[in-house]
Amino acid sequence: DTGVSQNPRHKITKRGQNVTFRCDPISEHNRLYWYRQTLGQGPEFLTYFQNEAQLEKSRLLSDRFSAERPKGSFSTLEIQRTEQGDSAMYLCASSLAGAIEQFFGPGTRLTVL
Amino acid sequence: AQRVTQPEKLLSVFKGAPVELKCNYSYSGSPELFWYVQYSRQRLQLLLRHISRESIKGFTADLNKGETSFHLKKPFAQEEDSAMYYCALTGTQGAQKLVFGQGTRLTINP
Repeated sequence: DTGVSQNPRHKITKRGQNVTFRCDPISEHNRLYWYRQTLGQGPEFLTYFQNEAQLEKSRLLSDRFSAERPKGSFSTLEIQRTEQGDSAMYLCASSLAGAIEQFFGPGTRLTVL
Repeated sequence: AQRVTQPEKLLSVFKGAPVELKCNYSYSGSPELFWYVQYSRQRLQLLLRHISRESIKGFTADLNKGETSFHLKKPFAQEEDSAMYYCALTGTQGAQKLVFGQGTRLTINP
């Protein structure tokens, strides 16, 4: 499968724990996006990388959230001290710079108990 | 402010009937408009984009700048069209992040 992959697909954690998700974009894509989708809503933009540079962050991304893309390939999204309100589907998407279409991964569903 | 509104959370029609999923947007400038679809247990995927002016799986969408609308239409619904549909927009510069509507769940009844 040469599409965007995300791991894990599901994560259940207790409030206050830290979690980390991984996204592997399509190999030649230099743009990588993170979105969050809560129940009954469309995806909402969190942050975006071009190569290894994080160029934009949403106000939704509190200080407890951090994202990295150290070598311009895969990306990680870490949530520290998780809260029940963090329960959502976290989606990753990738694209080529200048190409408008984003390709989405299957998402990581986070449940915070 | 950038916003996409899909007024119908649920839409149910019979097979063979016409379908129209509504989408209105607000954006300062000239956005790119898209329809994304998510079939059961599949990932979100692009259905069509306004700039392509193409028909995909029998669906078309016309951008009406005066009414700031981008409604999705299909003359004869098929059972395999049952899915979640999201209208989205993006700017043509910068991050080109997508702004999504809440989505419409379309159910085609046999």
